[in-house]
Amino acid sequence: TQLLEQSPQFLSIQEGENLTVYCNSSSVFSSLQWYRQEPGEGPVLLVTVVTGGEVKKLKRLTFQFGDARKDSSLHITAAQPGDTGLYLCAGEWGGFKTIFGAGTRLFVKA
Amino acid sequence: GAVVSQHPSWVICKSGTSVKIECRSLDFQATTMFWYRQFPKQSLMLMATSNEGSKATYEQGVEKDKFLINHASLTLSTLTVTSAHPEDSSFYICSARGLDSNQPQHFGDGTRLSIL
Repeated sequence: TQLLEQSPQFLSIQEGENLTVYCNSSSVFSSLQWYRQEPGEGPVLLVTVVTGGEVKKLKRLTFQFGDARKDSSLHITAAQPGDTGLYLCAGEWGGFKTIFGAGTRLFVKA
Repeated sequence: GAVVSQHPSWVICKSGTSVKIECRSLDFQATTMFWYRQFPKQSLMLMATSNEGSKATYEQGVEKDKFLINHASLTLSTLTVTSAHPEDSSFYICSARGLDSNQPQHFGDGTRLSIL
C-alpha cells in the first residue's frame, strides 16, 4: 500500500504550459517535502510545508499543503524545458522516516 | 549547505561479489542515516535506517544479512551488498540527518550498482 499517492505519474507538455502535480494520503503528516531528481543524481529538496493550508512560492513553482495535512500540490507556471525531471513528494513517517511518493516524471518540450 | 558524499558513484562487478558503498556527511554530524534503493523509472524505497553506534532498522522485505549496514561514526555509514546478483542492480542513495530533527535530511548523489 502506497502511503503517498502521487499523480500523474508521467506528464509531457509544451513549453509555456501550466501543470499541477498532486500528492495525496489518508494519513496526516507533520510535514511534506517536494524534491526534484535528475537522472543519476540524488533528489534535491525544493520545499518543506509544515502548516495546514500553507502556500509557498519558489519562482514559478507554487506549493500548497492541505488544511488537514494529508495532501499537497505542486503547480508550475509557464513550464520550461529546464523543468524536466522527476518530481517527488515525501512525508515524515513514524517520527523520523521519510516515505516517498511514486514520483511524477515531467517532460517539457521546447 | 550541508553536503553528503557517496562513494563510489558507479560500480560494475561480477555476480557473487560483495560491494561496499560509503556515505559520508562532510560538514555536520549525522546521527541518523537512511539507505534507499531506486529501480529505473521508480521512486525511492527506504531500505533501512541506521543510528550511530546501534544496529540498523530494516524495512519489511529487506534482508539484513544481504544488505549489511554499519554506522560506526557520526560522519560515516556503509552499505555492503553481500554476494550480489543481477537482481541487486539498482541505484542506491543514502541520506543523513543531524542532531536537529527539524532540519531536513541531506541526500548523497547515489551509487549506480550493476551486477553482471
